[in-house]
Amino acid sequence: GQNIDQPTEMTATEGAIVQINCTYQTSGFNGLFWYQQHAGEAPTFLSYNVLDGLEEKGRFSSFLSRSKGYSYLLLKELQMKDSASYLCAALDSNYQLIWGAGTKLIIKP
Amino acid sequence: IAGITQAPTSQILAAGRRMTLRCTQDMRHNAMYWYRQDLGLGLRLIHYSNTAGTTGKGEVPDGYSVSRANTDDFPLTLASAVPSQTSVYFCASSQTGGNQPQHFGDGTRLSIL
Repeated sequence: GQNIDQPTEMTATEGAIVQINCTYQTSGFNGLFWYQQHAGEAPTFLSYNVLDGLEEKGRFSSFLSRSKGYSYLLLKELQMKDSASYLCAALDSNYQLIWGAGTKLIIKP
Repeated sequence: IAGITQAPTSQILAAGRRMTLRCTQDMRHNAMYWYRQDLGLGLRLIHYSNTAGTTGKGEVPDGYSVSRANTDDFPLTLASAVPSQTSVYFCASSQTGGNQPQHFGDGTRLSIL
């Protein structure tokens, strides 16, 4: 079956760096998305990776290893507003998104 | 401001009643989607539409129906609501091409009693 695994919850300190991991098993693979979702709000797009390597976008970076079925989202210089859930989603061979349950990130001062 | 509008924002509904959740986008996206989000679970696709006039079933389609009469609107109907359909429902849209990011509406919080 198809599956996405990511930690349920993580805690980090304001100003620090945090890495949120995601492993995926899908029938075929056409890329991986990361979304941010603040409590009570809609998910918003952060990044898309289809090739191996690191994509940097300001304070946020996303990494993909296709051979390992693994991705991570790296958040630098954490701010209180980064407290949110981070959703990992893989695109399968039919171009359907398979979603993880999300990682709730708690930022402490 | 361009985006996706969902209505209602929230609703409490008696079991057995019929309910239509509305979704409208003004970005001229061809593809639209309906998801439900439950605590501890990932977003689950209910139905989708790749273009006006066509629809497809997602992971959890039972008890739901959709229509896509035009590009902008994609209503979701619960023919006879049951308590297990209590959830937060999100509508999303994207440009054609599976690797295009999806843009989400603000969601409808639905409680079935």
